Amino acid sequence: DIVMTQSPDSLAVSLGERATINCKSSRSVLSSADNKNYFAWYQQKPGQSPRLLIYWASTRESGVPDRFSGSGSGADFTLTISSLQAEDVAVYYCQQYYNSPLTFGGGTKVEIK
Amino acid sequence: QVQMVASGGGVVQPGGSLTVSCVASGFNFNSYAMHWVRQPPGKGLEWVAFTRYDESKTYYRDSVKGRFTISRDNSKNTLFLHMSSLRAEDTAVYYCTKGQASGSFIIDYWGQGSLVTVSS
Repeated sequence: DIVMTQSPDSLAVSLGERATINCKSSRSVLSSADNKNYFAWYQQKPGQSPRLLIYWASTRESGVPDRFSGSGSGADFTLTISSLQAEDVAVYYCQQYYNSPLTFGGGTKVEIK
Repeated sequence: QVQMVASGGGVVQPGGSLTVSCVASGFNFNSYAMHWVRQPPGKGLEWVAFTRYDESKTYYRDSVKGRFTISRDNSKNTLFLHMSSLRAEDTAVYYCTKGQASGSFIIDYWGQGSLVTVSS
């Protein structure tokens, strides 16, 4: 199984400041067949179901604010929130869908400082 | 809009069986892959099972293989997860989720979840 390791476990950021979350996979999720990274980010707000933010490592899902961006390739990925808003308080999960079983990172809790 | 309403959760004894169902609306259910993902109380997300739009391929995590079965009734826009030989570690909120395409592993929508508690 591909193991996904997120860091940090939690972070507190001031409103309007940048938040950065990292995720490493135990093997590359970049496909040589189509040159795509089979990697996604999800947001789960308190008491809610998760929501897809980013797929193919950097493609923003429809309706996701452009302050959210994904970057990275191979086995190292980053989610950046460029200017943290109060409504961004949530747990963020990375996920690989390169192969079965699909696996998630342990989550990063983002709070307001 | 896309909606998936899960039901059938509850308390079941270890070794028992339970089926959770999910009725979908707002999209062409019979054209999309579907997944079940679970979340133990206070913990992270764990993928459970996948079915292509036509059930031609199904996949499971190792810990549920032989105990859980994912199925669908495309005429009723309904996804099922039949669970047997349940264990305490199966206790979780079970989310019905939609794939981005007919065979897609990308999960683009999540339902509200149904809590399954395995306890004596």
